[in-house]
Amino acid sequence: GQNIDQPTEMTATEGAIVQINCTYQTSGFNGLFWYQQHAGEAPTFLSYNVLDGLEEKGRFSSFLSRSKGYSYLLLKELQMKDSASYLCAVPDSNYQLIWGAGTKLIIKP
Amino acid sequence: EAQVTQNPRYLITVTGKKLTVTCSQNMNHEYMSWYRQDPGLGLRQIYYSMNVEVTDKGDVPEGYKVSRKEKRNFPLILESPSPNQTSLYFCASSSSAGFYNEQFFGPGTRLTVL
Repeated sequence: GQNIDQPTEMTATEGAIVQINCTYQTSGFNGLFWYQQHAGEAPTFLSYNVLDGLEEKGRFSSFLSRSKGYSYLLLKELQMKDSASYLCAVPDSNYQLIWGAGTKLIIKP
Repeated sequence: EAQVTQNPRYLITVTGKKLTVTCSQNMNHEYMSWYRQDPGLGLRQIYYSMNVEVTDKGDVPEGYKVSRKEKRNFPLILESPSPNQTSLYFCASSSSAGFYNEQFFGPGTRLTVL
């Protein structure tokens, strides 16, 4: 079976750095997605990792370790607008995305 | 503007009254999908379509129907809605069903079944 685990909620301070973890168990591996979802809105694409290592994209970076079944999203210089849920997802063998329940990130001034 | 649109955005209905939620994309995407999102459960796929006239069940298809008669449209049909179908629904599309393709989501439809 396939399973994705993320923390339910995290709190961080404006201007700080936060790391949101995601662990997964899949029968095969075809990459890992991160999406951002503001409350009541649609998810929007952040990153896709298929190789091990860190990929940086502005204030956001995503890391993948295939051997450990582990990824994290790193958010730097946090802003209030970063308050959102962050969803981790992996494709299964039928091309369908399996989604984690999401991590709600609360930013405090 | 490239986008996925859904209608209606909000709907309150009663048990058993058939309804349709429309979804349309203007990006010429082959792949389209419907999800429902419930608190603590994340996104769960209802149905997906790899191309015109090709649809398949996702993880939670019971109580739903879809059709894909043309590339841009992928309506979701609830023949006899029940209260357990109260949820937030998202339509999504991508250029193909490849692993690496990001999905573009519609704005969502919040459905309440009384």
